[in-house]
Amino acid sequence: GAVVSQHPSRVICKSGTSVKIECRSLDFQATTMFWYRQFPKQSLMLMATSNEGSKATYEQGVEKDKFLINHASLTLSTLTVTSAHPEDSSFYICSAAQGSYGYTFGSGTRLTVV
Amino acid sequence: TQLLEQSPQFLSIQEGENLTVYCNSSSVFSSLQWYRQEPGEGPVLLVTVVTGGEVKKLKRLTFQFGDARKDSSLHITAAQPGDTGLYLCAGVDYGQNFVFGPGTRLSVLP
Repeated sequence: GAVVSQHPSRVICKSGTSVKIECRSLDFQATTMFWYRQFPKQSLMLMATSNEGSKATYEQGVEKDKFLINHASLTLSTLTVTSAHPEDSSFYICSAAQGSYGYTFGSGTRLTVV
Repeated sequence: TQLLEQSPQFLSIQEGENLTVYCNSSSVFSSLQWYRQEPGEGPVLLVTVVTGGEVKKLKRLTFQFGDARKDSSLHITAAQPGDTGLYLCAGVDYGQNFVFGPGTRLSVLP
């Protein structure tokens, strides 16, 4: 089955710094990956769709300059939270689709901004 | 705007009991998926249902896709503490747009 690796699993950063989260498809190529944010005890909220070789598509209300997405290869998408603030603290999850296998999710990244 | 609703939102039951979780929408989906998410982890795909009226079984879990492809249910027989988690349904429309329901948080007490 498809495997998506997300790194790091946990990160603590100081307010004002930037944090990069990686999402890799390990055994398949993903032209499209998705980035979600999840608040405690809530469902997943789609932030953006990452397209290999082109600009990401952001959902309404998500700041593209705040959450930079790069999808430079068919197996790697990155999300960079720039100038992080405490309100950016959350659980971030990526996913990728592989044909009939459906959507495979990474294990998530717990970001804490102090 | 597509909207998926799930009920109940929270459910706490004793080990051995049966339960059903519902996923409803006014939109028609080409397929619908169920995921389970444990704390601190990403969602894990349980099943994909594609055909209206389809029923799939996964051990003690039974999934049904409504005839009109607008709703689905998940039935768990003889629930166990290991079934505890957040159950999410997700619909895929004919434009390959993907939307999650708000989830049902299940707690199975020993």
